[in-house]
Amino acid sequence: GAGVSQTPSNKVTEKGKYVELRCDPISGHTALYWYRQSLGQGPEFLIYFQGTGAADDSGLPNDRFFAVRPEGSVSTLKIQRTERGDSAVYLCASSPGTSNTDTQYFGPGTRLTVL
Amino acid sequence: ILNVEQSPQSLHVQEGDSTNFTCSFPSSNFYALHWYRWETAKSPEALFVMTLNGDEKKKGRISATLNTKEGYSYLYIKGSQPEDSATYLCASDDNYGQNFVFGPGTRLSVLP
Repeated sequence: GAGVSQTPSNKVTEKGKYVELRCDPISGHTALYWYRQSLGQGPEFLIYFQGTGAADDSGLPNDRFFAVRPEGSVSTLKIQRTERGDSAVYLCASSPGTSNTDTQYFGPGTRLTVL
Repeated sequence: ILNVEQSPQSLHVQEGDSTNFTCSFPSSNFYALHWYRWETAKSPEALFVMTLNGDEKKKGRISATLNTKEGYSYLYIKGSQPEDSATYLCASDDNYGQNFVFGPGTRLSVLP
């Protein structure tokens, strides 16, 4: 079946611009997660949704970052006034639920480069 | 804040060699440990979910063990093949299992 997809696969933008990153989770998965992976580090948690609501957004670094999931399926991560330090791979994952044994299924990521 | 560490950061082995690497995590309030394999230009792929002390899981030539009392997990690869080349990530559940805390990964290169 179809896995998690993310678009675009690569995004190059200039400092100060606004970007949107899209995630299509596996159909029927209620939980959706966003992570950011910088060079040499493991993925860092940003935010997770249970259905339409953000259940935990404690990982968002500042108020330039925002994410939505209006219909409980597709999610968009929005970054305002991008900075060079925002350059990273942004990963999305979905899981059937939020049990601690539920596997999170990852998309291939969006590589964001801020010039 | 949960801190997950992995060692070594990277290693190179010859095809056919067996290898292993370590994930360490706080043993208090442990819920579950996840191992992932992340090949370049692909999605991270789930390998194992482990919850019980003494757990041992196996998938083909790859196996993992878990020690929750001392806070570590080992991943073993028997008879490494070039297609095993990837970054291996472990993640421990934070608080109530609602998000993962990943280690920095071990980058494995298997030379033919």
